[in-house]
Amino acid sequence: DAKTTQPNSMESNEEEPVHLPCNHSTISGTDYIHWYRQLPSQGPEYVIHGLTSNVNNRMASLAIAEDRKSSTLILHRATLRDAAVYYCILRGGYGGSQGNLIFGKGTKLSVKP
Amino acid sequence: NAGVTQTPKFRVLKTGQSMTLLCAQDMNHEYMYWYRQDPGMGLRLIHYSVGEGTTAKGEVPDGYNVSRLKKQNFLLGLESAAPSQTSVYFCASSYSRRGRMSTDTQYFGPGTRLTVL
Repeated sequence: DAKTTQPNSMESNEEEPVHLPCNHSTISGTDYIHWYRQLPSQGPEYVIHGLTSNVNNRMASLAIAEDRKSSTLILHRATLRDAAVYYCILRGGYGGSQGNLIFGKGTKLSVKP
Repeated sequence: NAGVTQTPKFRVLKTGQSMTLLCAQDMNHEYMYWYRQDPGMGLRLIHYSVGEGTTAKGEVPDGYNVSRLKKQNFLLGLESAAPSQTSVYFCASSYSRRGRMSTDTQYFGPGTRLTVL
């Protein structure tokens, strides 16, 4: 799986939008971009994933650059509960892959009231 | 649905003791995984299973054994615990039809915090 680069930490104010960047310059054409987050003392949880087009769900939006070398996770209105470590992960997995997620260190998001 | 559950939540062992961590999922998932997470690090894969009766090694398998006798359960064993195995252990499961893993979602348990003295 290709490597991703994320800032170590970011801060946000409550009820403001947050844009979490991820660089993945070596992404292949079949890699999907996944985001997971890990709240304090909990297991990771799925947030969103996409291939080429921007994606929206109830938790967040994913904006993917046209060349796919970077993406941005957007939390539209940060809440205190959104304080977590956010992981950007690329997933290929066609045929023979063991299917595990390869976690980097992620971005630790702090939300101030 | 309970999702993915792990027992126990906490455990303290002495060096050389053995224990088994239990992971259970009620989503009829084929794939199950054991990860460990050390302070300030991302998760690393220990062992995984692509179906009942099958297991395989991941990135850091030494010192651990696993079994998947039933589809819903995945057990992680430490035969002779060492201080280097002090960590938080997470189990995960996913549906993962072969060839479609690029889009599957993994569901994680709440973790087991293990300390080996």
